[in-house]
Amino acid sequence: EVQLVQSGSEVKKPGESLKISCKGSGYTFINYWIGWVRQMPGKGLEWMGIIYPGDSHTTYSPSFQGQVTISADKSITTAYLQWSSLKASDTAMYFCAWGSGYSFDSWGQGTLVTVSS
Amino acid sequence: SYVLTQPPSLSVAPGKTARITCGGYNIGSKSVHWYQQKAGQAPLLVIYNDDDRPSGIPERFSGSNSGDTATLTISSVEAGDEADYYCQVYNSGSDHRWVFGGGSKLAVL
Repeated sequence: EVQLVQSGSEVKKPGESLKISCKGSGYTFINYWIGWVRQMPGKGLEWMGIIYPGDSHTTYSPSFQGQVTISADKSITTAYLQWSSLKASDTAMYFCAWGSGYSFDSWGQGTLVTVSS
Repeated sequence: SYVLTQPPSLSVAPGKTARITCGGYNIGSKSVHWYQQKAGQAPLLVIYNDDDRPSGIPERFSGSNSGDTATLTISSVEAGDEADYYCQVYNSGSDHRWVFGGGSKLAVL
């Protein structure tokens, strides 16, 4: 069974850095992409970017290019989403999801990030 | 960028049929995927490639796609189907490649 387990909730101050994680299991990690999706409070789903863990090739949504960094460590089957300087507007739930085609087949449980002074 | 338009909300009585639409220019030429998101939970894929159901998804869920409209149909609606539903496509001709609709809130009366 494919499982994606995300790291726990975070509370940060504006300007701080953050790296959240998504550990995959139950499948061959390097063969499938992992994507990140943002959901702001009370809003819909937004695609942020994807990574192919086999070669770490990444594709970002233009809306998030330069705002976040997606990476992966295939030795521990984990993908990451990181910010160098958080803003209050980064407050949201962040989901990772696994895909074999062009759909998000299986999702992590979500990581809530709260940015507040 | 490519835009997918969904009705913000709809309500259906138990046992009836819910039809949730997803509009987009020539969406019939793309593969459409649908997700169910219940309150406080992660999304769940319920239909992929227009009309295929992942393992474990009831046959009550079906999909169709033609022209400028894709439709998720939920027959014999149950209270447990109350959720937000999102359509999604892959738009190869744009940097905004994975596109979601705005979501539709299904209320079961």
